[in-house]
Amino acid sequence: DAGVIQSPRHEVTEMGQEVTLRCKPISGHNSLFWYRQTMMRGLELLIYFNNNVPIDDSGMPEDRFSAKMPNASFSTLKIQPSEPRDSAVYFCASSMGGGNQPQHFGDGTRLSIL
Amino acid sequence: DQQVKQNSPSLSVQEGRISILNCDYTNSMFDYFLWYKKYPAEGPTFLISISSIKDKNEDGRFTVFLNKSAKHLSLHIVPSQPGDSAVYFCAASEGFNAGNMLTFGGGTRLMVKP
Repeated sequence: DAGVIQSPRHEVTEMGQEVTLRCKPISGHNSLFWYRQTMMRGLELLIYFNNNVPIDDSGMPEDRFSAKMPNASFSTLKIQPSEPRDSAVYFCASSMGGGNQPQHFGDGTRLSIL
Repeated sequence: DQQVKQNSPSLSVQEGRISILNCDYTNSMFDYFLWYKKYPAEGPTFLISISSIKDKNEDGRFTVFLNKSAKHLSLHIVPSQPGDSAVYFCAASEGFNAGNMLTFGGGTRLMVKP
C-alpha cells in the first residue's frame, strides 16, 4: 500500500520566493496534518484538516503560511514570501477517522531558504 | 511549556540487551500515547501505542508501559538489535474530541552496538 507521499523531497530557494509543498495522504484517511521539525523546537503541529476542512491552524507561525486541502487526496502548504528562518523539514501525516488512530507520516520535505 | 518530555537525548545499549526509553507528560487530559521511530531522511514510523485505560501493551520485542499516576510512559525493546538504532519519539493525544492531534517529545537517539 502506498504511504503518505510528499513532494518535493528537497527544496532550495532564495528568500522572498514562494514555496509550495505538496502532500498526498493515504487513501481512506480523512485527517491530514502538517508538521515542521527544527532543531530548536522539535516536531510541531502547524495545521490539521478533517474531511478536507481546516480544523485547527493555531500552529501556523504567521500569515505568510497557508494550507489548503481541495480534495481528499491532496493538500498543499504554501509559504509566501519565504524567509531563512522557515528552513526546516516539513512533514505531512494522515490518519483514519475515529478515536485513537495513529498518524502515518510521509518522508518530509527538507526546505532551505537562502 | 513542554507537555511531553523525553529527558534523555541519547541512549547507548549493547546488542541483545534491553533498551528502555522514557517519557513524561504534564497534561492530564492526554488519553492516548504513541511511540514513533525515525531514521535519518525518513518520516517518523508508528511503532506502538497505548490507551490510558491500559497500563501495558506488547507487540513482539516492543512493550509500552503507562503509569498514569506518575504521568510517565516507557518503551522497552528486548532484545535490542543494531537495526533498532534510530531516534524514538513519544507522542500524546487528548483523543478524538481533540482531533487526534499529537504532541511530541523531543526524541531520544538510541544506539545499539553490535
